[in-house]
Amino acid sequence: GIQVEQSPPDLILQEGANSTLRCNFSDSVNNLQWFHQNPWGQLINLFYIPSGTKQNGRLSATTVATERYSLLYISSSQTTDSGVYFCAVLGPLGSGGYQKVTFGTGTKLQVIP
Amino acid sequence: DTEVTQTPKHLVMGMTNKKSLKCEQHMGHRAMYWYKQKAKKPPELMFVYSYEKLSINESVPSRFSPECPNSSLLNLHLHALQPEDSALYLCASSQGLGRERIEGNQPQHFGDGTRLSIL
Repeated sequence: GIQVEQSPPDLILQEGANSTLRCNFSDSVNNLQWFHQNPWGQLINLFYIPSGTKQNGRLSATTVATERYSLLYISSSQTTDSGVYFCAVLGPLGSGGYQKVTFGTGTKLQVIP
Repeated sequence: DTEVTQTPKHLVMGMTNKKSLKCEQHMGHRAMYWYKQKAKKPPELMFVYSYEKLSINESVPSRFSPECPNSSLLNLHLHALQPEDSALYLCASSQGLGRERIEGNQPQHFGDGTRLSIL
């Protein structure tokens, strides 16, 4: 199946710093989502981004599908940004015509005051 | 995502108990999913329902039994679970998979999860 790797696995930031998280995938995908999982386990949609660039406040994301990667930018980080960031891809049609969603390995972010 | 509601939020059960997890959405989505997430790992797909029919079972043990009574509800019946089944169970929904072919690539919306502990 499709492999989805995220980097870095762990990241510690001082409040106010900027960061870039990366998601690499091994095969062509039909779509990609970025999620933030907060310390309470809630998975929050950040972006639904098959290609191109989107921005939402301090966050933005870029997907270059032809080169099989996506980037998540966090600017002016805040302590509430702490948690785990996952990308999830919708892969090629498998048996039965189903496109399987595969989550990446995650980046654990800790923002310190 | 608060548009997908999961109950209970926490569940502690013995290995001989029978319990059910519930998931509800009112966004008109026709695809619903169960995921299992162990600590410090990404969510792993368990089941997919499309138009109330089971589309995918990712080789999940029979002690987990899904049910989709209607387009808004998804249940996960639990029986004779093992301690290693302790995990966060997440429900998600999306606009849908076509009845006869995959149509559209719609984002998934997740509930807050049920944290399950098996004694």
